Amino acid sequence: NAGVMQNPRHLVRRRGQEARLRCSPMKGHSHVYWYRQLPEEGLKFMVYLQKENIIDESGMPKERFSAEFPKEGPSILRIQQVVRGDSAAYFCASSPIRDQETQYFGPGTRLLVL
Amino acid sequence: QKEVEQNSGPLSVPEGAIASLNCTYSDRVSQSFFWYRQYSGKSPELIMSIYSNGDKEDGRFTAQLNKASQYVSLLIRDSQPSDSATYLCAVKEYTNAGKSTFGDGTTLTVKP
Repeated sequence: NAGVMQNPRHLVRRRGQEARLRCSPMKGHSHVYWYRQLPEEGLKFMVYLQKENIIDESGMPKERFSAEFPKEGPSILRIQQVVRGDSAAYFCASSPIRDQETQYFGPGTRLLVL
Repeated sequence: QKEVEQNSGPLSVPEGAIASLNCTYSDRVSQSFFWYRQYSGKSPELIMSIYSNGDKEDGRFTAQLNKASQYVSLLIRDSQPSDSATYLCAVKEYTNAGKSTFGDGTTLTVKP
C-alpha cells in the first residue's frame, strides 16, 4: 500500500510565477490536509479537504492561494504570483476518518522562490 | 500566546539516558494528542498518539497526558543517536474538522 505521494519534491519558481503542488492520498483515504513549514518552525495548518469539498480553509492566506481535491485525481495546492516569503516545505497528509484519526504525511514539496 | 508550546531546545542527552520532551497546549477542548519525529529535510513521522489521561507506552517511548494541567510529554528511554531529530507535538480538537495544531518542535541530540 503506497503511502501519501507528493510531487514535485522540489520546485523552483521566480517571483510572479505560479506554483502547483500535487498530493495523492493513501489508498482508501478521502481526507487531505495541507501544511506549510517554514525553516526552523513547526507545521502550520492551511486547508482540509474531502473529495470535491473544502472543509476548513482557516489557515489559507486570503489571496493567491487555493486548493482543490477533485473527484478524480490528486489534490492540488496552487499558489499564484509567488513571492519569496512563499519559500517553504509544503506537506500533505491524509486520513481515512476525521477527528481522532491519525494523519499520514507525504514527503513534502520544497518550494524555492527566487 | 501560542496554542501549542514546546521548549525549542536543543536538548542534549548522552546515549542510554532518558530524554524528556514537554508540550503544553492552551485549548481545553483538545482531545487528541500526537508526537511526531522529524529528521532534518524529511517529513514528520508519527511516534505516539494519546487520548486519555495517564501514560501510554510503546517500546522505548512513553507518552504522558494530563488534561487538567494541559500538558503532554514524551519520554524516550535508552536514547540512541538515531533518536536525534526534532520532535513535534500536535493537538487536535475532537469536534474540529480534523486539523492538527503543531508546536514548533524540540530538537533532540543524543551523544554517543
